[in-house]
Amino acid sequence: GAVVSQHPSRVICKSGTSVKIECRSLDFQATTMFWYRQFPKKSLMLMATSNEGSKATYEQGVEKDKFLINHASLTLSTLTVTSAHPEDSSFYICSAAGPTYDEQYFGPGTRLTVT
Amino acid sequence: QKEVEQDPGPLSVPEGAIVSLNCTYSNSAFQYFMWYRQYSRKGPELLMYTYSSGNKEDGRFTAQVDKSSKYISLFIRDSQPSDSATYLCAMSAGNTDKLIFGTGTRLQVFP
Repeated sequence: GAVVSQHPSRVICKSGTSVKIECRSLDFQATTMFWYRQFPKKSLMLMATSNEGSKATYEQGVEKDKFLINHASLTLSTLTVTSAHPEDSSFYICSAAGPTYDEQYFGPGTRLTVT
Repeated sequence: QKEVEQDPGPLSVPEGAIVSLNCTYSNSAFQYFMWYRQYSRKGPELLMYTYSSGNKEDGRFTAQVDKSSKYISLFIRDSQPSDSATYLCAMSAGNTDKLIFGTGTRLQVFP
């Protein structure tokens, strides 16, 4: 399967600061990238879908001004958590897909802890 | 009712056992079905991908889809301790539709 990387793997930040997470598809061009959030013992919750060169589509209940997504190229998407609060602490996972979404390849995830 | 239901487990089996993991769903529009394996603190890894009803085999893994019953299964033969992970089912209505995930079943295979 395709390889997707995420950076950083773990980040601790103070409340009120912003954090950027990068997602890269290393061996294929990802037309679409997805950002998920996962709580302990819960399933993946889709936050947004981003297509290269266009604005991300956010799921209902996800604040677009708080979770800024940029998909500048076919191999890179970034998620910026702005003005982070402790309730934003979670496991954030990206995935990448080609023209169809049925086969998605996931990154290793980023553990965000906001103190 | 959730769109996708999956027993969270944990499921604990001895090495060598046959494991059956299951998901049910309510949306008859779902056409694409996947199984992902997720190790602790890692991202999900695609294991199996099926489109039609019936069985699909890959090594020790067999995915089964029964669209009439809205029921999918993943069988693991000769289970190994390295199979210990959370298994997530996922499905979508179209190949450009978002995936809907089950909550995952935690499997533990003990030596």
